[in-house]
Amino acid sequence: AQTVTQSQPEMSVQEAETVTLSCTYDTSESDYYLFWYKQPPSRQMILVIRQEAYKQQNATENRFSVNFQKAAKSFSLKISDSQLGDAAMYFCAYRSRGSGGSEKLVFGKGTKLTVNP
Amino acid sequence: DTGVSQNPRHKITKRGQNVTFRCDPISEHNRLYWYRQTLGQGPEFLTYFQNEAQLEKSRLLSDRFSAERPKGSFSTLEIQRTEQGDSAMYLCASSLLVVTEAFFGQGTRLTVV
Repeated sequence: AQTVTQSQPEMSVQEAETVTLSCTYDTSESDYYLFWYKQPPSRQMILVIRQEAYKQQNATENRFSVNFQKAAKSFSLKISDSQLGDAAMYFCAYRSRGSGGSEKLVFGKGTKLTVNP
Repeated sequence: DTGVSQNPRHKITKRGQNVTFRCDPISEHNRLYWYRQTLGQGPEFLTYFQNEAQLEKSRLLSDRFSAERPKGSFSTLEIQRTEQGDSAMYLCASSLLVVTEAFFGQGTRLTVV
């Protein structure tokens, strides 16, 4: 079974600074997706960024980028120029991609990010 | 289309009562997922549908839980004989058949007293 581990229950960053959230995962599969989801207080979870495991290039979405290390099974999220609106719970998630694989998302426990003005 | 809609947003029930939640996915999304999220934890998968077919169920989904998706549109999640341990946020998500992104609803928060 796949597992996702987020070792930082809480992180804080000053507005306009950069912060990196860590995520490691365990799988025996070679073909999969990795995601970072953001869950603001009392609001729905939204996708921040996704990475296909077969792609060597790290995904980037505006101020959000990932450092995907497949051999190390590491998938960290970097938020540049942090804004107050970035404050939320961030969840790392895994999903199989191969045929016959489960379509469920496997989530980590989350990292609560606080952005200080 | 305003996204995935879940009703009710909050539900307080007495232990032993039955409750039913509804999820309306984004139009034309074939896949619909249910997750449960307890305080301080990430969401845990419960079950998912492709159209009206329930394709996968978690062992978390005990025999007190049942989910349906008649006609492949909205879905309902019923919990019978609720227990205090059922208190959680129940999340619904939907996605297109060949698109990986899952869109989540705001969830239904269940409190069993």
